[in-house]
Amino acid sequence: NAGVTQTPKFQVLKTGQSMTLQCAQDMNHEYMSWYRQDPGMGLRLIHYSVGAGITDQGEVPNGYNVSRSTTEDFPLRLLSAAPSQTSVYFCASSYGVGTSRYEQYFGPGTRLTVT
Amino acid sequence: AQTVTQSQPEMSVQEAETVTLSCTYDTSESDYYLFWYKQPPSRQMILVIRQEAYKQQNATENRFSVNFQKAAKSFSLKISDSQLGDAAMYFCALASGSARQLTFGSGTQLTVLP
Repeated sequence: NAGVTQTPKFQVLKTGQSMTLQCAQDMNHEYMSWYRQDPGMGLRLIHYSVGAGITDQGEVPNGYNVSRSTTEDFPLRLLSAAPSQTSVYFCASSYGVGTSRYEQYFGPGTRLTVT
Repeated sequence: AQTVTQSQPEMSVQEAETVTLSCTYDTSESDYYLFWYKQPPSRQMILVIRQEAYKQQNATENRFSVNFQKAAKSFSLKISDSQLGDAAMYFCALASGSARQLTFGSGTQLTVLP
């Protein structure tokens, strides 16, 4: 299993540009989520999905869009990049049931810089 | 809303010694889980240990153990026989209720001195 994969690893954008961060998992996990990590603030939830076709907002959703057309993929779209979106982005997934449902597996992260 | 607080931005420990990282949390849920994640310079988030709130026994994973004080809403991580590879940022995290979102603390940067 590759686990949770994210592409790209690094990205530089200009203000106003749009882009999509890719996330995929091969563990058949129902639950997937996106977090951003800023210095001194830990990780904060952007959007999450409990299954294909179902998404919801987290703590900091503004400026981001998601969709979940398959179980495996959960892309994050930046609609019009702003310098405040400079951050490290993590995708995570977890199994649906039992005591393991809270245990999330993280991808390697994408470092995004918006100039 | 649930919160997680890590009051020690930085800690250091001598190699082979023991160190304890502190974490306090707040949630109104009765069913919740607590985690410690390690983030080395590679940036990868690595699960170190987890604790189910309904279990009174403290979780242990090799050199890592927790002191879970439910009434005090405290969840500290003890690292015994510290090794150079333990140097990393450590995050305390909480998940509760029907949602599975993790709420993270701000992290503690651990330095291991040779």
